[in-house]
Amino acid sequence: DTAVSQTPKYLVTQMGNDKSIKCEQNLGHDTMYWYKQDSKKFLKIMFSYNNKELIINETVPNRFSPKSPDKAHLNLHINSLELGDSAVYFCASSQGGARLETQYFGPGTRLLVL
Amino acid sequence: KQEVTQIPAALSVPEGENLVLNCSFTDSAIYNLQWFRQDPGKGLTSLLLIQSSQREQTSGRLNASLDKSSGRSTLYIAASQPGDSATYLCAVGTSGTYKYIFGTGTRLKVLA
Repeated sequence: DTAVSQTPKYLVTQMGNDKSIKCEQNLGHDTMYWYKQDSKKFLKIMFSYNNKELIINETVPNRFSPKSPDKAHLNLHINSLELGDSAVYFCASSQGGARLETQYFGPGTRLLVL
Repeated sequence: KQEVTQIPAALSVPEGENLVLNCSFTDSAIYNLQWFRQDPGKGLTSLLLIQSSQREQTSGRLNASLDKSSGRSTLYIAASQPGDSATYLCAVGTSGTYKYIFGTGTRLKVLA
């Protein structure tokens, strides 16, 4: 049973394209996150939603737009992809909104922009 | 602004050794701290979560300690095994925010 799943696992695309990454969790958690891990393996938070409400929005270009149709799903849409967007994107979830708790990560989506 | 540093960046040890991984943070007003393990090409797995009021947490061969006042946490791995080879990351949850700040990781290799 996959707790946090992401699709696709790999994504290779051309500069300027628009792409989406989907994330689903079956843990019944209230909070979901998107992280970006760059080529130096540095992991940084991008967004967080609690019960479909945006609670963290880091300094991320507005080409990145998260969408949470329900609390089990958090998708990431990226417009006008750039070379610097190449990275691994991780989705994560945790129980509780205002409290920081154990985070469960998905397997990652490896995005390569050519 | 919270900054999290992990030293060393990489470590190789023979099987059976006990080892310590270090994590330092600049702002002592933390809510809690997590240690994660990341295998190549995989997501992160939470190993231990230690609350700001705790001094240590244990799980099997792993023991995490926290010294808030000095801005340090250590992850102790007893009797290391080749299966422990992975990158270990610490993440600091800062009070008043909903987010974790991650360290740069320590890449551990345990040699058989």
